[in-house]
Amino acid sequence: ETGVTQTPRHLVMGMTNKKSLKCEQHLGHNAMYWYKQSAKKPLELMFVYNFKEQTENNSVPSRFSPECPNSSHLFLHLHTLQPEDSALYLCASSQGLGQGADTQYFGPGTRLTVL
Amino acid sequence: GQNIDQPTEMTATEGAIVQINCTYQTSGFNGLFWYQQHAGEAPTFLSYNVLDGLEEKGRFSSFLSRSKGYSYLLLKELQMKDSASYLCAPMDSNYQLIWGAGTKLIIKP
Repeated sequence: ETGVTQTPRHLVMGMTNKKSLKCEQHLGHNAMYWYKQSAKKPLELMFVYNFKEQTENNSVPSRFSPECPNSSHLFLHLHTLQPEDSALYLCASSQGLGQGADTQYFGPGTRLTVL
Repeated sequence: GQNIDQPTEMTATEGAIVQINCTYQTSGFNGLFWYQQHAGEAPTFLSYNVLDGLEEKGRFSSFLSRSKGYSYLLLKELQMKDSASYLCAPMDSNYQLIWGAGTKLIIKP
């Protein structure tokens, strides 16, 4: 247990569905991240929030919409996804940005399958 | 551009020693992280190096040479549970981690 939880752990959805992924961290951290991990590919950073403000959006399609209501919670809203969006979605948190040894701690991930 | 290079897959024997190499090119540098990731699970933090040299942590050690853009992870007394992917991730000048595709380590009895 890393202190970062994600729900659901598995999700199967059709291309016309709308669903949300949830992440919660119990570490008192100020920064939270969404990553996408596809098979045999490097982790792809999607979004970064620092003190609830979005600081990074790495050219992610608008069908992915993040929400960070407070420093402990992070959501990823999904709509009209494509089959190539099937992947493991990982949430991470860290103490805060702008520090060298700012270790990121990951949640267990949501395995998403888009039919 | 930013680039990470590490072997795709390595095989080693239980009880032996293995070294996983990583070379990197980044825009600025604020240290380098190693993570372990078992299949279907989240990456877990192993080590962080920001100065040149070797950092030892139990059976795992990590080495960094900033001038060469090179790091390695050394695993001793290998156990079957060490079968996993090992991810090298330097931090660039914007404090963003640049991730490699990882090295899949297979341990054989």
